[in-house]
Amino acid sequence: DIQMTQSPTTLSASVGDRVTITCRASQSISNWLAWYQQKPGKAPKLLIYKASSLESGVPSRFSGSGSGTEFTLTISSLQPDDLGTYYCQQYNHWTFGQGTKVEIK
Amino acid sequence: EVQLVEAGGDLVQPGGSLRLSCAASGFTFSTYWMSWVRQAPGKGLERVANMGPGGRQIYHVDSVKGRFSISRDNAKNSLYLQMNSLRVEDTAVYYCAREGVEITSGTTRGALDIWGRGTMVTVSS
Repeated sequence: DIQMTQSPTTLSASVGDRVTITCRASQSISNWLAWYQQKPGKAPKLLIYKASSLESGVPSRFSGSGSGTEFTLTISSLQPDDLGTYYCQQYNHWTFGQGTKVEIK
Repeated sequence: EVQLVEAGGDLVQPGGSLRLSCAASGFTFSTYWMSWVRQAPGKGLERVANMGPGGRQIYHVDSVKGRFSISRDNAKNSLYLQMNSLRVEDTAVYYCAREGVEITSGTTRGALDIWGRGTMVTVSS
C-alpha cells in the first residue's frame, strides 16, 4: 500500500502568517491527492482535490500544489477559524496521512 | 440540502455485532460511490470500506475483511455496514462519506466531498 507522511505533526502560527503543510507519498500518485480540515468533534471537510482544485465554498486563502510524491497545502494568511487538524489523502486505496494539528499562537 | 445521516452506533461487547446505516438525501444516491471511514479516539482517519453505485464493486480494508460487510439499498437511498466479531480496536467514530465527481464529466474527483456527522461505536466488556 502507498504510505502518506505529513509534516509537521503540529504547527503553531500567528494570525496573518503564511502556513505550509507537506505531504509525501511513498510512490508516485500523479495528482490524486486531497486535503481535508477537521475541527474538534466535527467531521472532516474537503478543501482541495486533485492536488490543486479548490472545493466550492472554500476560502481562496487555501491552495494546494504538487504532483508525483510531494504535495503542499498552503494557507496564505492564517485566520482564527483555521485551527484544526489537516489530513492529506491519496486516491489509491484512500490512504490518509497522520494529520497536522494547526494551532493559533 | 445534500446530507448524510448515520445511525446504529452503540456500546457492544467484544465478539458482538452491529449494523450501521447511513441515510442520504439531496442528491442522486444511486449514481455515487460511497465509503465508510472511521476514526479511533484521538487518532487519524481510516477508510474501512467503499462500494460502487451498483453495489457490485466493493473494497474492504484488510483489518476488517471477513468481519465487516458494506452494502447499499439504492431504492432506500441508504448505505450500510454490517460489523461482526467486533474487537476493542474497532472502537471509533464511523463516518459515511460520498465520493465526489466532476459535474461536467462525471469522473471521480478522488476525494470525499460530503460527510455525515458520524456515529460512535464502542467495543468494550
